[in-house]
Amino acid sequence: GEDVEQSLFLSVREGDSSVINCTYTDSSSTYLYWYKQEPGAGLQLLTYIFSNMDMKQDQRLTVLLNKKDKHLSLRIADTQTGDSAIYFCAEGTGRRALTFGSGTRLQVQP
Amino acid sequence: GAGVSQTPSNKVTEKGKYVELRCDPISGHTALYWYRQSLGQGPEFLIYFQGTGAADDSGLPNDRFFAVRPEGSVSTLKIQRTERGDSAVYLCASSNSGSNEQYFGPGTRLTVT
Repeated sequence: GEDVEQSLFLSVREGDSSVINCTYTDSSSTYLYWYKQEPGAGLQLLTYIFSNMDMKQDQRLTVLLNKKDKHLSLRIADTQTGDSAIYFCAEGTGRRALTFGSGTRLQVQP
Repeated sequence: GAGVSQTPSNKVTEKGKYVELRCDPISGHTALYWYRQSLGQGPEFLIYFQGTGAADDSGLPNDRFFAVRPEGSVSTLKIQRTERGDSAVYLCASSNSGSNEQYFGPGTRLTVT
């Protein structure tokens, strides 16, 4: 079945860039997503990329997709303490269920 | 506008009891999803509704779990004979017709003692 994998933890200093990586196995994935979850809260959709795109930029966020290697990354420029959260990568095929990774905890040190 | 809402926010129940969890999607969203998130894990899909019908219930773990959406809006997830292993955060999401964006509610934390 589908599988999505992420590293567990990333620590950066405030003002640095953060790069969170994700790999997936389902070659039929149409959309790849990044969600953010703060403690005790639901998931917030940050951004997503269509599988025929290589890159998408949205303010401080840059998503890179290497479809050949099934590798997705999220870069956060000028990381702030408010960016501290768990970031989930997910894959899906349109309006169907999403398959999530286990999440990467981002810790931003002042 | 209002986002996805879920009630209750917390539910503690004894093993063997029956529980109902409610999801109120964003107004006008035709698709509704239930996921379950265990500690330290990402959400896992349970069931997906398109309108009133369950389009995909392949994620329901067993026949103790059932969900309905009788009028195509509010949905209720029902768990019979709860077990300690059912303890998790149950998340609901909705999306608009033709959209691939799923918007999540805050979840219901279920604890089975």
